Amino acid sequence: SSELTQDPAVSVALGQTVRITCQGDSLSTYYTTWYQQKPGQAPVLVIYGKNNRPSGIPDRFSGSSSGTTASLTVTGAQAEDEADYYCNSRASIGDHVLFGGGTKLTVL
Amino acid sequence: QITLKESGPTLVKPTQTLTLTCTFSGFSFNTRGVSVGWIRQPPGKALEWLALIYWDDDRRYSPSLRSRLTITKGTSENQVRLIMTDMDPLDTATYYCAHQPDYSNYYVRFDSWGQGILVTVSS
Repeated sequence: SSELTQDPAVSVALGQTVRITCQGDSLSTYYTTWYQQKPGQAPVLVIYGKNNRPSGIPDRFSGSSSGTTASLTVTGAQAEDEADYYCNSRASIGDHVLFGGGTKLTVL
Repeated sequence: QITLKESGPTLVKPTQTLTLTCTFSGFSFNTRGVSVGWIRQPPGKALEWLALIYWDDDRRYSPSLRSRLTITKGTSENQVRLIMTDMDPLDTATYYCAHQPDYSNYYVRFDSWGQGILVTVSS
């Protein structure tokens, strides 16, 4: 399959830990990239590669993967982490790019 | 500092051809591995990858839209152009261009994005 599947919505209490998942056949071959998007703004890269954060991304964001499932973990979620999160990968067949359907994270 | 900015019409009629331009600064296609992609997002919906052009002019397209898309380097060395034919109201979306700093066999990463341009398709 050339798709990435995400849960539409996840919620977390302020200061708690939340995991956002992404499933897809290509994730057993390629690393998953994660983006954060707040309303009215362009996406921002938060995790890429094995578990790399661009400068300026807090270390409470981390990435992991097992088989065909990748996860973005936010440890100690803050109010400003409330946003949509998208996973991204190469397709397993054909050299093109996939995005997941996005997960809306609500911080309670 | 890398910046990208999308430009083009914000309203097109059904069946017309859309031409968008991404004008960038802070990097060059003279750098091996660099690429620029186009991604769109219908209102309230998810991101959808459209096309990618590499430093060496290699190009990749979304399989579902391939027949309607053309991506090229612009007439200026700091531009990328996306052409989409036979526009439909379902193509109404914010269109983003984004920068990839290098080619990896293991991941995709768009590390800088333009602000996006909302294109509405309506008669």
